Amino acid sequence: QKEVEQNSGPLSVPEGAIASLNCTYSDRVSQSFFWYRQYSGKSPELIMSIYSNGDKEDGRFTAQLNKASQYVSLLIRDSQPSDSATYLCAVRDSNYQLIWGAGTKLIIKP
Amino acid sequence: DAGVTQSPTHLIKTRGQQVTLRCSPISGHKSVSWYQQVLGQGPQFIFQYYEKEERGRGNFPDRFSARQFPNYSSELNVNALLLGDSALYLCASSPTDSRMDYGYTFGSGTRLTVV
Repeated sequence: QKEVEQNSGPLSVPEGAIASLNCTYSDRVSQSFFWYRQYSGKSPELIMSIYSNGDKEDGRFTAQLNKASQYVSLLIRDSQPSDSATYLCAVRDSNYQLIWGAGTKLIIKP
Repeated sequence: DAGVTQSPTHLIKTRGQQVTLRCSPISGHKSVSWYQQVLGQGPQFIFQYYEKEERGRGNFPDRFSARQFPNYSSELNVNALLLGDSALYLCASSPTDSRMDYGYTFGSGTRLTVV
């Protein structure tokens, strides 16, 4: 069964520090990876997508992908209280459908 | 421009009843997907439609059905509701079918409570 694993947290990070969120996946043929942010009671919001090994930066966010290790991460620099949310990792499987992790709850402490 | 719109926003139903959820995709988007998100879990794929044809179906019972209309809006129907169907139902739209690599844009969801 295809799986996407995330640490449920909560992950507590001081304001201004770097938050590091991790995700592993089981389907070796996956080619597309997404990070979504979800505030409590709201729908997921796409933050980053990554398709190639290495790093992809967008503002304070950096996605990192290592297909050999089946590992994708999200770094948030200069963390702000508004970054407090649940971060969901989603992987597009060989049937082109999204498989989701359960999410990591991130808390940024002022 | 309007985003993905879903209705209703909240719904309370009794076990055994039937429910219909509605979704209008972003203008120009032809693909609609439905997800179920139980509290504390990630979304689970239910259906995907593109150009009014079913392109994918998740591991849900036949009580769940959906369709897409010529204007690309979609309905999700759930029959014989169970308590376990209580969840946030999310609709996502994308410009083309699943074989193109787009991140989805989600609607605000319908919160279904079955009592």
